[in-house]
Amino acid sequence: QIQLVQSGPELKKPGESVKISCKASGYTFTDYAMHWVKQAPGKGLKWMGWINTYTGKPTYADDFKGRFVFSLEASASTANLQISNLKNEDTATYFCARFRGGRGYFDYWGQGVMVTVSS
Amino acid sequence: DIQMTQSPASLSASLGETISIECRASEDIYSNLAWYQQKSGKSPQLLIYAANRLQDGVPSRFSGSGSGTQYSLKISGMQPEDEGDYFCLQGSKFPYTFGAGTKLELK
Repeated sequence: QIQLVQSGPELKKPGESVKISCKASGYTFTDYAMHWVKQAPGKGLKWMGWINTYTGKPTYADDFKGRFVFSLEASASTANLQISNLKNEDTATYFCARFRGGRGYFDYWGQGVMVTVSS
Repeated sequence: DIQMTQSPASLSASLGETISIECRASEDIYSNLAWYQQKSGKSPQLLIYAANRLQDGVPSRFSGSGSGTQYSLKISGMQPEDEGDYFCLQGSKFPYTFGAGTKLELK
């Protein structure tokens, strides 16, 4: 069955970096783009951008340009999100989500990774 | 950016009651609209895509409708397991945007 399994929770200090992984299984990884979504505590969902799993090209939403990097380990069917120079406002749950083209929606989501930034 | 205005923000329904949640887009999104349910501490689960197509495995009491800028999700007969947060997503144009969410509770 199709699964997106993300890495575990992270506790970081401001200024540090974090790398989150999203391992896909049950389908051909390069056939579907992977998107990233942020959910701050008690808040709604915010689209961060996506990565083309075939070419590796990332695209970032405006609010996520600069400190955020999407990458792949395609041989391991894994997408990664790295956040550098962490700020308190980066405290959130980060989801990866598989994208279904054509009608533009996410059909499978990872379980989410809670990143807490605190001094 | 396309703004998605979702209403109501919260809703309390009795067992078996039929409820509707609305999402209004700031411009035509050509039925590129999906609905998700999210339970506390879990990831969103897809209910409806392309405005009115029921995702496999989702109970038939869930239905979606709408076109252009106006969309709605209907639950025909509230069940206890339907409690949770509901979000709409527009996948028509980057940046993709979500509605602010509706918290649905059992009365």
